[in-house]
Amino acid sequence: NAGVMQNPRHLVRRRGQEARLRCSPMKGHSHVYWYRQLPEEGLKFMVYLQKENIIDESGMPKERFSAEFPKEGPSILRIQQVVRGDSAAYFCASSRVTQETQYFGPGTRLLVL
Amino acid sequence: AQTVTQSQPEMSVQEAETVTLSCTYDTSESDYYLFWYKQPPSRQMILVIRQEAYKQQNATENRFSVNFQKAAKSFSLKISDSQLGDAAMYFCAYRGTTSGTYKYIFGTGTRLKVLA
Repeated sequence: NAGVMQNPRHLVRRRGQEARLRCSPMKGHSHVYWYRQLPEEGLKFMVYLQKENIIDESGMPKERFSAEFPKEGPSILRIQQVVRGDSAAYFCASSRVTQETQYFGPGTRLLVL
Repeated sequence: AQTVTQSQPEMSVQEAETVTLSCTYDTSESDYYLFWYKQPPSRQMILVIRQEAYKQQNATENRFSVNFQKAAKSFSLKISDSQLGDAAMYFCAYRGTTSGTYKYIFGTGTRLKVLA
């Protein structure tokens, strides 16, 4: 039973480019959460999605960041016009239902040059 | 708002010895979950142990155990017979159970070094 999959594992972008991070939840999981880990810090919640719905995006910056979880396919975290401060590890987690343990993917390390 | 505090940025332990990592939290909820995650150099987040607040018995997973003091809002992790592979960042995390609560709130982490 595959765990949470994230790709790419490493992503390098130049300032002003777009970054697309993908997350495939564990089989049977329909709840996806995105967290960001800045260097030397703990993970911080960004957004919570269920299939085709954004439930809570209170942790996501208002501009340049968006997330989706379509009916088919992985969840996507999109960062437009990246800046150096976006350099971080982005983790996706999934759960079967809201109240169950979240299982984390291996993360995507984004480096903005 | 809930907060999680890890006051030890770094800890060291000799191989085969025991070490305790501290975590305190603040919440007004009566029921919640607490977690310890391990993050090795690969940066993968690995669940080490989980504790439900309504359970008085401390959780145990092999060499890992917790000391959960609900009144003091303390949740420390004890690693017995430390191994070189235990070297990693360890994060304490909290999650509430009230309706609509799902965010994990993480502490800033403790870096554990294991000395041969």
